[in-house]
Amino acid sequence: QVQLQESGPGLVKPSETLSLTCNVSGGSISIFYWSWIRQPPGKAPEWIGSIHHSGSTSFNPSLKSRVTMSIDTSKNQFSLRLRSVTAADTAIYYCARDRSRDGYKDQTNYYYYGLDVWGQGTTVTVSS
Amino acid sequence: EIVLTQSPGTLSLSPGERATLACRASESVGSSYLAWYQQKSGQAPRLLLFGASARATGIPDRFSGSGSWTGFTLTISRLEPEDFAVYYCQQYGSSPWTFGQGTKVEI
Repeated sequence: QVQLQESGPGLVKPSETLSLTCNVSGGSISIFYWSWIRQPPGKAPEWIGSIHHSGSTSFNPSLKSRVTMSIDTSKNQFSLRLRSVTAADTAIYYCARDRSRDGYKDQTNYYYYGLDVWGQGTTVTVSS
Repeated sequence: EIVLTQSPGTLSLSPGERATLACRASESVGSSYLAWYQQKSGQAPRLLLFGASARATGIPDRFSGSGSWTGFTLTISRLEPEDFAVYYCQQYGSSPWTFGQGTKVEI
């Protein structure tokens, strides 16, 4: 059973770079896509972006200019870097397995799996 | 980007009652690419339904989903005590993936 675990600093100073890593256990990272999602206090989740083991990435345009993602198949982990953070970047950050492009067909419909496995999340506060 | 609007914001019900949650999209979302998540306090969201109506692994059959194009519904046929939580819809047919603002189901 695949499990994801986020790690990284819980406190980041304004204007600095937020760096998080997601460790994947119980399955290979060299399958599917992998996403980062964040959730500010009391708000809905926001998709940050996704990465494939090939290195292909897709980002939310609202964050694209500040985001970098990387993947290390030898360590079965992937990472997020968010530059020039402000207080608005304070949130719980989740990593998730992204099977949005993976699915099956029954007699009439296609079904794509979505974000089917999530890490427990890590709280990141931006403050001096 | 596609904006998802959920209604109502809060649903006050009792155990055993039926819950009906709505999710409306600002433009067409293929039914294959609409998911519902449950989130309890202090926990990560959990996938309930994908492709608008398919239950994820381990999800009881009291949870069902329907809809297409711009209108989707999550129904919980008989609320159990553990079902009181916040529910989000999410589309992944058009990048960026987006979430609704959530519906809180409370006792």
